[in-house]
This record gives sequence, C-alpha cells and structure tokens, in this order.
Amino acid sequence: IAGITQAPTSQILAAGRRMTLRCTQDMRHNAMYWYRQDLGLGLRLIHYSNTAGTTGKGEVPDGYSVSRANTDDFPLTLASAVPSQTSVYFCASSDKGLGEETQYFGPGTRLLVL
Amino acid sequence: DAKTTQPPSMDCAEGRAANLPCNHSTISGNEYVYWYRQIHSQGPQYIIHGLKNNETNEMASLIITEDRKSSTLILPHATLRDTAVYYCIVRPGGNNAGNMLTFGGGTRLMVKP
Repeated sequence: IAGITQAPTSQILAAGRRMTLRCTQDMRHNAMYWYRQDLGLGLRLIHYSNTAGTTGKGEVPDGYSVSRANTDDFPLTLASAVPSQTSVYFCASSDKGLGEETQYFGPGTRLLVL
Repeated sequence: DAKTTQPPSMDCAEGRAANLPCNHSTISGNEYVYWYRQIHSQGPQYIIHGLKNNETNEMASLIITEDRKSSTLILPHATLRDTAVYYCIVRPGGNNAGNMLTFGGGTRLMVKP
C-alpha cells in the first residue's frame, strides 16, 4: 500500500544528543513537510520542501534541519536535542495540483528528550 | 489570529448524521476550506476540501455558505470509528508548500452507541 513511513516509531533521547527522524514516501509527491504536535495543541510546521533540492522554514524551525536529496526522502535532524523538543513529529507529503493541495500524513514519531 | 472557529466538542449518536460547523469570516477569495481529522495517536487524515461549491466524496459532504464565511462538514451516518478531532482549515491556493496548513484546536467529535 502506497503511503508515508516514518522511523523510528518512538524514541527516548538524552539531551544534547543528535537524532535524525526518517520519512519516506512512495507516492512521488513533490512537496514534503515536517510538523510537530504538542499535547493539547495543533500541528505546527517545522520545515517544508516544495521539490527535491529545495527546503524552507516553517513556523517553528529553530533547532531543526532538513535535507531533500531526492523525491522520496525528507529526514529531520535535531543537532543537539533539548527537552522542549519532546513532541510527536509528523511527516506529510502532497502532490501539488494547481491551486489545490491535499496533504497525506505519516503515522508519527514520538520523541522524548530527557 | 485564528482563521477558523470551531466548537471544542460535539456528541453524535451512532448512525445519525454528524454536522460539524466552522466559521471563517475573514476568508479570502483564493482560500480553500479543508477538513482533516485526527484519530487518537494517528496522523491527520484528509477528508474533503472546497472553494465555494458544495462538495461530496465517499467520506463526507462539505456545505459552504454563499458568502463563504462559514461551512459545515457532514458525516451522513456516523460510526464509532468516526470519533476523532476534526480540523477546519483555510489555506491559500498556489504551489507553495510554505502556505502551511494551520491546525487550530478543532472539534472533538464523540460518536456514542
């Protein structure tokens, strides 16, 4: 079944450690996104990519970096994790049509930074 | 400023229609209305979207008022599996992924037996 996969499913990480969250889609979508969702809050956009080779900053980019070397993969890296980055992280992708866009979300990665 | 306003919670009896309202009084001419839902511990799921005409798909119907200042998502025969948080989102058209989906608080729909 086509879709988006994320890894790991969950992770406990010591503060100061480096961590890369993986995201892969097999729908050949041009655009990809990373969101975080904190308890009781909606999703907030961290970084996005319109197409392979390009990235952009979302609403809460500080402390995170991304790369888009190819169409399918969009890893999110925490260079030096801090407890405030404890969250659920969702990756999404979309096939950007003219003026319209539907985003498809992965199952999420639950990250606890201690 | 929130672009949309939704009631925080609603109940619906199983098998009945669930009508979820959304106010978006400041919507612009090129902004679409999107509905997503999030079942507990899962990623958000796209339901339906529209610009100004009413829309229907296999999941739901979307009714947009003529002035586009509000809309209603209709689940015609709610089941227990429809229990979720439903998000109404307005978003500009155009091919820029930076036009993010802004998820507000949503409506927590509880479908009861």
